[in-house]
Amino acid sequence: DVKVTQSSRYLVKRTGEKVFLECVQDMDHENMFWYRQDPGLGLRLIYFSYDVKMKEKGDIPEGYSVSREKKERFSLILESASTNQTSMYLCASSFYRYEQYFGPGTRLTVT
Amino acid sequence: AQTVTQSQPEMSVQEAETVTLSCTYDTSESDYYLFWYKQPPSRQMILVIRQEAYKQQNATENRFSVNFQKAAKSFSLKISDSQLGDAAMYFCAYVNTGNQFYFGTGTSLTVIP
Repeated sequence: DVKVTQSSRYLVKRTGEKVFLECVQDMDHENMFWYRQDPGLGLRLIYFSYDVKMKEKGDIPEGYSVSREKKERFSLILESASTNQTSMYLCASSFYRYEQYFGPGTRLTVT
Repeated sequence: AQTVTQSQPEMSVQEAETVTLSCTYDTSESDYYLFWYKQPPSRQMILVIRQEAYKQQNATENRFSVNFQKAAKSFSLKISDSQLGDAAMYFCAYVNTGNQFYFGTGTSLTVIP
């Protein structure tokens, strides 16, 4: 059974903290994605990666960075968390253009 | 630029009835895939159905089927014999040759017993 896991389901951080969100997939997928999900806005792409050490900016990369040192792991980093980054963060992976498989999500609250 | 539009923020259906969720997209490409995803409350997003643009035949998966109108850039999802477990947020999505996925804003489906 395919699986995408995320390091935390719920996370509370303070403004200005550095935050790491981890995502691991066990399907040997080339592509991995980080989305932010907010009510009424759907899923907005933050970054995606099509190979190890490769990354592309999505629609809303400001305030975020990513790291992909190994094929199965894709990390999202909030360099200095702000309250407007409070959101649900979804990780996904895919084999080329075939369907994405999603993780359970991390609900991040920044206070 | 590619965009995906879901014009129905909320829909409701009586149990055992049929409901259709609408989706339109905008693209200049001819080779792409379309998807419907389901996100139950507090649960993981899962794939419902996939349609390849080069296929003229509409995709079906059990009670779920699509009406794919390529010229009109329309991709609606029909759920037949609706069940309580179908209650969820449904997202329409598009992927281009660059492997970048685009999502609509979602339709929240309520199933009334």
